[in-house]
Order: sequence, then structure tokens, then C-alpha cells
Amino acid sequence: KNEVEQSPQNLTAQEGEFITINCSYSVGISALHWLQQHPGGGIVSLFMLSSGKKKHGRLIATINIQEKHSSLHITASHPRDSAVYICAVSPNTGNQFYFGTGTSLTVIP
Amino acid sequence: DAMVIQNPRYQVTQFGKPVTLSCSQTLNHNVMYWYQQKSSQAPKLLFHYYDKDFNNEADTPDNFQSRRPNTSFCFLDIRSPGLGDAAMYLCATSRAGSGMRTQYFGPGTRLTVL
Repeated sequence: KNEVEQSPQNLTAQEGEFITINCSYSVGISALHWLQQHPGGGIVSLFMLSSGKKKHGRLIATINIQEKHSSLHITASHPRDSAVYICAVSPNTGNQFYFGTGTSLTVIP
Repeated sequence: DAMVIQNPRYQVTQFGKPVTLSCSQTLNHNVMYWYQQKSSQAPKLLFHYYDKDFNNEADTPDNFQSRRPNTSFCFLDIRSPGLGDAAMYLCATSRAGSGMRTQYFGPGTRLTVL
């Protein structure tokens, strides 16, 4: 059983569309992370959040601690947003991080 | 400035020939992680160090070993690489403890096994 589940697994969108990626988790956490990985590239941290909402440019991340659910939104999507987006959580105890399987996003011009 | 550095970025080895991947960090984090990531999959934790304490995942093959000679450096040794070990190997660091903490990833080493 995965501690972190993401959906959808794959997503194709037209340039300009609003995109939502969902993440649910089953453990108590101290923080949830949204990560971005471009093809062949390393992983970059986009957001770390423990409550509410954060915004960075066209990216918005929200979390509902009671429902153990988070969403990553991309407004006015662009082909350069094409990447794998990974949800990860740092649990309340221990040093590990649990990863979702990622959402592969392709934005078509 | 790069905070987590991995060398080499690309490594080609032969079946059964030992290989060592290197990771260094300038963040002075006391936790360092090694992940294996295969195509279209999430990173899979192999092991992590909390200071000098080594924590191996239960399903990490014995073929994979690690060394952490000091806070800044951590090595991944693959004793006898098989074709199935071809993957991206990611090193990451974080501070320890509960609370908000971010993992910082290196750029990865892509391993090819011939």
C-alpha cells in the first residue's frame, strides 16, 4: 500500500488550460511537498506546505490536513510546464520521505 | 551555487564491474539519502544516513552498499551491477527531526550497464 497516491498518472493539456493534480496521503505528516522533475533532470522542490495555500507565479498548492489531501494547480499552462510532478510527504516521525508515483504532464502548444 | 553535487552525471559500466557513485553537499545537513529511480517511476529509497547511523531499506539488495566518511560526502557502491540496476541514482539531503524540512536533491547520476 502506498502512503501517497497521486492522480492522474498522465495528463495532456492544451497550452493555456488550467491544470489540477491531486495527492492524497494516509500518514500523519509534518509537511507535504510538491516536486518537479523535467525529463532527464534532477528534482526541484516547488512547494513545502503544512496548511492552507501557497502561490508562486502560475503555480498554486493547497492542502487540507483534515482530509489528507493536496492539490497542485497550474494556471495558464505552457509547454515549458511539461514535466513530472511528484507529491511527497515528510511524516511526523522519522527521517524518511514518502513519494507518490508522479504525474506526467504534457502541455501541447 | 550547487548545494548537492553528484559525480559523475553519467556512468557507464559493464555487467558485474563494481561502480561507485559520489554525492557531496554544502548544506551541512545531517541526513543524506540515496534513491534509485527507473523510467516513469517514483524515486525508490535505497538507504539513508542520519549522521553516521546507516538505515537500510528492507528490500534494498545486498549488491548496494553505502559509505559516509564525513558529513559532506556519501558514496553509493554497486558491487556487481546487473542490467536491472540501470537507472537514475539520486542523492538528497535534509536536516533531521520533526517539523517542516525540505529535501534537497542532486542532479542525479544516470547509470548504464552494458
